Amino acid sequence: AQSVTQLGSHVSVSEGALVLLRCNYSSSVPPYLFWYVQYPNQGLQLLLKYTSAATLVKGINDFEAEFKKSETSFHLTKPSAHMSDAAEYFCAVDLRGAGSYQLTFGKGTKLSVIP
Amino acid sequence: NAGVTQTPKFQVLKTGQSMTLQCAQDMNHNSMYWYRQDPGMGLRLIYYSASEGTTDKGEVPNGYNVSRLNKREFSLRLESAAPSQTSVYFCASSRGTGVNTGELFFGEGSRLTVL
Repeated sequence: AQSVTQLGSHVSVSEGALVLLRCNYSSSVPPYLFWYVQYPNQGLQLLLKYTSAATLVKGINDFEAEFKKSETSFHLTKPSAHMSDAAEYFCAVDLRGAGSYQLTFGKGTKLSVIP
Repeated sequence: NAGVTQTPKFQVLKTGQSMTLQCAQDMNHNSMYWYRQDPGMGLRLIYYSASEGTTDKGEVPNGYNVSRLNKREFSLRLESAAPSQTSVYFCASSRGTGVNTGELFFGEGSRLTVL
């Protein structure tokens, strides 16, 4: 059973437009949630994380995500896309409760930014 | 700032050959992980080590072995490589405690091709 679902394997936006990358999870315990970014030929880097404090989480490079328990969602947004945002983005969830040492990653969404 | 260092970066093997991927981190992290990344599959956990002296299976451990040599180093061994193990392998580390568990620091990856 898939525990993390990212809607859309590829998203294209125009430079300056809103970025919205969708992530839904399924969990029977309060999850910790993460967004990672991968630039070409590099490892993943943490963008932001939700660990049961504020539901609106701000990360690096003006990205933010909102935890919505009722919708089991943790969508990533950025008000204005920049060419440098072109990368692959992964949502991840710690499904076994805090401190379980195991993250489950979504399949990723590749973001293209059109000049 | 070295962070997480993986060697080799590229390797081509023939079916049945063995090899070891090396990983070292200089951040004094407790936990270390090996993931594989395949197109459209996201990242899947192979093995992890929550702390020095312990290792546990992840989602896809078959065909692999690991050794946590000391706190810094965590190696991944393929005893008899198969074409299905063609992938990009990522080593990661984390402080491994509480809210920091999911903050993974990744190496740049090792691209393995098995012919």
